[in-house]
This record gives sequence, structure tokens and C-alpha cells, in this order.
Amino acid sequence: NAGVTQTPKFRILKIGQSMTLQCAQDMNHNYMYWYRQDPGMGLKLIYYSVGAGITDKGEVPNGYNVSRSTTEDFPLRLELAAPSQTSVYFCASRRTSGGPPLFGPGTRLTVL
Amino acid sequence: DQQVKQNSPSLSVQEGRISILNCDYTNSMFDYFLWYKKYPAEGPTFLISISSIKDKNEDGRFTVFLNKSAKHLSLHIVPSQPGDSAVYFCGGGGSNYKLTFGKGTLLTVNP
Repeated sequence: NAGVTQTPKFRILKIGQSMTLQCAQDMNHNYMYWYRQDPGMGLKLIYYSVGAGITDKGEVPNGYNVSRSTTEDFPLRLELAAPSQTSVYFCASRRTSGGPPLFGPGTRLTVL
Repeated sequence: DQQVKQNSPSLSVQEGRISILNCDYTNSMFDYFLWYKKYPAEGPTFLISISSIKDKNEDGRFTVFLNKSAKHLSLHIVPSQPGDSAVYFCGGGGSNYKLTFGKGTLLTVNP
């Protein structure tokens, strides 16, 4: 298993641009999560999904959108990038039956 | 509202000694807790968990203690090793499958 993969690893955006952060897992996990990590601020939940076609907001959803058309993929969309969205983004997934979420390696995003 | 609090941003210990990382939570609906370790430029990796029906869980050098009445948990690392130097995140979750994390504690183990 490749586990949780995220692309790209790094990205620089200009204010107002849009982009999609990709997340995929090959473990047939139903639950998937997007977190952002800001320096000194811990991990904040942006969106999560409990299965294909089902998504819900986390603590900091503003400025982001998600979709879950397949079990494997959970892309995160930024429509109008703002400097406040400069962060490291982590995707995670877990089994329906329990167990800890497994995290991907992260995407470092800078908005200038 | 910060549901999971790690009040110590950093901790420094000597190699071979015990490291104790603390975590407090406010959400009484949490029924499981996890600790993750994170190295720079990597994703968090799972370390150890505990269910709310237990008060202790042990895995090798790592032990997590849960005090439900105080809404407090702690992670003990004995003996501490330089490779343990990392940021440690405490997280709590309940039946809605959301997992909430604290701000993390940077542990430095000095040789």
C-alpha cells in the first residue's frame, strides 16, 4: 500500500488564484480528513468525509471546498487564495471500524 | 473554543530520563484520545491511543494515562532518547468521527 499520498509537495500561489490539493489513499478507508497546520497553532480540521458523497465542515472551513466522489480521493479546493491560507496542509484517512487516522506527508502552500 | 489544550509549548529533558507531556480537554463527549509525533517536513505519525474506558495504555517506552474526572491525559516516555525529539500532538475524538488536536509540544531530548 502507498498509504496516503498528497500532491503537490510545495506550491506558491498569487492572491486570488485557485488550486486543488490532491489527496488519495489506497487502503479502502471510508473516513478522510483535511487539516492545516499553522506555526504554533496545532492542527486545525478543515473538512472531513465519512464516505463517498458525504462531507462535513470542520473547525476552519471558510475559503475551502471539498468533494468525495470516490472512496480513494478527497481533493481540497481553494477558490480565491488569500495570504491567510499560507499553511501546511495534511490529509488523513482511517478505517470505519476504528484505529488511528494515518496522515499524508503534507503540502506546503504559500500565498503571496 | 479550544477543546484540546497542550499548555507547554516546549519541554527539554536529558537522555535516559522521563519525558512527561500533558494534555487537557474540555469536551466530555470525547471517548478516545491519541498521541501523534511529528518531525519537521513530515506528516504526523501515530504513537499511542487510549479509550475512555481505560485509565492507562502502554506500548514499549510509551505510556498514556487518562484521568477522566480531571479531563487530563499525559504521555510518559521512559527512557527518553534523542530520536524522540519532535513535536507531539494530543488529539481527542467522539462518535462523530472528528478528531480535534492541541497546539503541540516540542520535545527536545539532549544527549
